[in-house]
Amino acid sequence: DARVTQTPRHKVTEMGQEVTMRCQPILGHNTVFWYRQTMMQGLELLAYFRNRAPLDDSGMPKDRFSAEMPDATLATLKIQPSEPRDSAVYFCASGLGTGVSNQPQHFGDGTRLSIL
Amino acid sequence: QQQVKQSPQSLIVQKGGISIINCAYENTAFDYFPWYQQFPGKGPALLIAIRPDVSEKKEGRFTISFNKSAKQFSLHIMDSQPGDSATYFCAAGDQGGKLIFGQGTELSVKP
Repeated sequence: DARVTQTPRHKVTEMGQEVTMRCQPILGHNTVFWYRQTMMQGLELLAYFRNRAPLDDSGMPKDRFSAEMPDATLATLKIQPSEPRDSAVYFCASGLGTGVSNQPQHFGDGTRLSIL
Repeated sequence: QQQVKQSPQSLIVQKGGISIINCAYENTAFDYFPWYQQFPGKGPALLIAIRPDVSEKKEGRFTISFNKSAKQFSLHIMDSQPGDSATYFCAAGDQGGKLIFGQGTELSVKP
C-alpha cells in the first residue's frame, strides 16, 4: 500500500536551532504539499511543488522557512532559526496534479515539532 | 473569499445514528470538495470527494450532499459506529491543486 513517508515523526529542540523535516512522496506523484496543523489555525497550506518546481509558497514565513525538492523522491522543509510559535504538526501530502483539475492528496502521518 | 466554514465544531452521536457535518464556501472558483478523516497521531485520510456537477455522492455509509447555488456541502454518516469517532475536515480546491480546509469537526460516537 503506497504511502507518504515523513521523518522524523517527533522532534524536540531548543529555540534558535535549525530544524529539517523530510518527506518521501508516493512514487509517481508529481505534486507535493506542505501543511502545518495547530489547534488555533487548523490545517494551513505552507507551500507546494509540481514536478519539483515551487508553485506557491505564500503561506510560508519566508524569513525563516524554506522548502525544496532536491529530487522527485525527497521534499524538505527547513526552519532556521526555530521559534516556540513554530511548534505544530507538519504534514506532507502528495498527489497527481494536472494543473487543470484538482486531484486527491494523500497525507503522511506528520512530524510533531516542539520548540522549547 | 478563501475561507471554508465548517460546523459544528464537535458532535456527539449515538451508535446507529446519523452524523451530519456542514461546510460553506465563498469562492465560486472552487471545483473540488473532499472530506478527510483524521485519527489521533495520524495524517488526514481522504474519505470521499465530490465535484460541483453532481448534487450527491454516496460511498457505503458516507454521503456528500452538494448545493451549488447555496455554496454549501455536507457529509452524512449513516449508521454511525464508535470506530467513526475521529476529526472530520471538509476542504475546497481550485484547478491549481490547492486545498483550503475547514476548521474540523470532532465526532464522538457513543456505544
